[in-house]
Amino acid sequence: EVQLVQSGAEVKKPGESLKISCKASGYNFTNYWIGWVRQMPGKGLEWMGIIYPGDSDTRYSPSFQGQVTMSAGQSISTAYLHWSNLRASDTAIYYCATAMGGPFNYWGQGTLVTVSS
Amino acid sequence: QFVLTQSPSASASLGASVKLTCTLSSGHSFHPIAWHQQQPGKGPRFLMQINTDGRHTKGDGIPDRFSGSSSGSERFLIISSLQSEDEADYYCQTWGTDPWVFGGGTKLTVL
Repeated sequence: EVQLVQSGAEVKKPGESLKISCKASGYNFTNYWIGWVRQMPGKGLEWMGIIYPGDSDTRYSPSFQGQVTMSAGQSISTAYLHWSNLRASDTAIYYCATAMGGPFNYWGQGTLVTVSS
Repeated sequence: QFVLTQSPSASASLGASVKLTCTLSSGHSFHPIAWHQQQPGKGPRFLMQINTDGRHTKGDGIPDRFSGSSSGSERFLIISSLQSEDEADYYCQTWGTDPWVFGGGTKLTVL
């Protein structure tokens, strides 16, 4: 059974750094793209980017390029999303999802990130 | 720029059928899309992908009440025998484009 289990909710202050995680199981992690999606309060889904764990090839949405960094740890089948300088506008739920042969077809449960002074 | 357009809202009665539409922007009509469902307070769930010929491949455990079709630049999600748990937001999505894109979502109300 394919599962994506994300790290827990975070509360941070503006300017702080943060790395959230997404642990995959039930499939060969290195062989499929895994991506991140933002959902701001009361809003729709926004595609942030994807990473191919096999070679760390990464594609970012222009809206998120330079704002976040995606990485993947092959040995522990875990994808990461990192901020070095959080802003209040980063407050959102972040979902990871894996694309096995096409669109995102398995989703994580989401990680709520709250940035507030 | 690849754009997916969805109506913001739709409604239908319990037990009835509803057809949701995702329109691909000009020049991109030969592209498959995926549909995702997001029930209130929950994360998204993959429903199906729809090819340009209307063939669709569903995700794990998706009931037969959910089906898809295609016509030109439009991709459809059809839900029959509507149940209360079908009240949700529905998003279409592309992949393989640069960047990947989500539609704005359709909020389905079951009356």
